[in-house]
Amino acid sequence: DIQMTQSPSTLSASVGDRVTITCRASQDISSWLAWYQQKPGKAPKLLIYKASSLQSGVPSRFSGSGSGTEFTLTISSLQPDDFATYYCQQYNSYPWTFGQGTKVGI
Amino acid sequence: QVQLQESGPGLVKPSQTLSLTCTVSGGSISSGAYYWSWIRQPAGKGLECIGRVYSSGPTNYNPSLESRVTISIDTSKNQFSLKLTSVTAADTAVYYCARTDYGGNPRGRGVDYWGQGTQVTVSS
Repeated sequence: DIQMTQSPSTLSASVGDRVTITCRASQDISSWLAWYQQKPGKAPKLLIYKASSLQSGVPSRFSGSGSGTEFTLTISSLQPDDFATYYCQQYNSYPWTFGQGTKVGI
Repeated sequence: QVQLQESGPGLVKPSQTLSLTCTVSGGSISSGAYYWSWIRQPAGKGLECIGRVYSSGPTNYNPSLESRVTISIDTSKNQFSLKLTSVTAADTAVYYCARTDYGGNPRGRGVDYWGQGTQVTVSS
């Protein structure tokens, strides 16, 4: 299985901050990477697919970049609704695998 | 708007079989190019793919669970199901059913629709 490693595991930030989360794959996954946001007690929500494509309805302050083995999720100006846990997922090969998550808090 | 809803027992005894069903509304489970998946999340932990079934019926399973998992699709009821045999406490988790649209690309575009999740606890 492809291992996905996110950093940091936790992140403290304030409203208006620029936030960057990194995800590394254990092997080349091209651009087959998605990012999700999850709030407590809720299902994950797709934010980004194919490394940098914004899912319909997701605010433009979210952006993704990278290819191969290194990827980033950036929130340009953190909003109160953005405090959550973020996961990356590779879908280059099955089984799909997820990072361990990055919790963004105050 | 597509909606997915999990159903099934919330408590299963060790060594028994966990059975869950996902009912899809707002669209036909058999139309289009979709993967229908089961994904689980133990409390306070990350996400693990269990397996997926194509709209046309073929399946893929996570090798770590493959010997115990069966996923099937019932197009007449617009449902797909999960069976996990010989469960232990390690199978306690929130179980999600989910959809991936792979139209135009076999890898798809991420998991775009999720059920709300159902807690399954394995305990005697």
